[in-house]
Amino acid sequence: DQQVKQNSPSLSVQEGRISILNCDYTNSMFDYFLWYKKYPAEGPTFLISISSIKDKNEDGRFTVFLNKSAKHLSLHIVPSQPGDSAVYFCAASVGDGQNFVFGPGTRLSVLP
Amino acid sequence: DGGITQSPKYLFRKEGQNVTLSCEQNLNHDAMYWYRQDPGQGLRLIYYSQIVNDFQKGDIAEGYSVSREKKESFPLTVTSAQKNPTAFYLCASSIAGTGNYEQYFGPGTRLTVT
Repeated sequence: DQQVKQNSPSLSVQEGRISILNCDYTNSMFDYFLWYKKYPAEGPTFLISISSIKDKNEDGRFTVFLNKSAKHLSLHIVPSQPGDSAVYFCAASVGDGQNFVFGPGTRLSVLP
Repeated sequence: DGGITQSPKYLFRKEGQNVTLSCEQNLNHDAMYWYRQDPGQGLRLIYYSQIVNDFQKGDIAEGYSVSREKKESFPLTVTSAQKNPTAFYLCASSIAGTGNYEQYFGPGTRLTVT
């Protein structure tokens, strides 16, 4: 039973447009969320985080939105660039932040 | 410069052999983690350690063992008891006990057991 779901295995977007990656979770105790980006044969790199006391966090081209009532978060990338092509993982944790649960990932392809 | 190293990048073993994957970090992080990634699945936690000489099982610890004798090092042994050892293994570290929960990942080791 997946506690963190990313229902779109892949997404293609035109360069310059907005990319929206979605993540749903089932455990209402999750209170800290992160997005990671992963290139092939490399470890994931941290992108952006949000705690449950906020509903939005922005860092440059990346914005994460959290809807606690819907148990849903999304990552917006504007404008999308070809270098953003990677697999994006959503991760969630309860309280101590020591034990993250990861989603299966969404492969983003940004087309030039 | 600081970071996490995992070696080797690719590892091949025969079935029935134990194999140890290394993970070293010079970030002075207290906490270290081992994850496994399989195609189409998210990262799954194998073991984690919040402090030297202490570690806890994650979601899929069966068939694996770890040690944490030094702060910088958290080796993972894949034993012959692990039924499906072929996977991509990722080590991570983080500052424990603070509000900063980012985990920094190593480049990974792809283990193939035949």
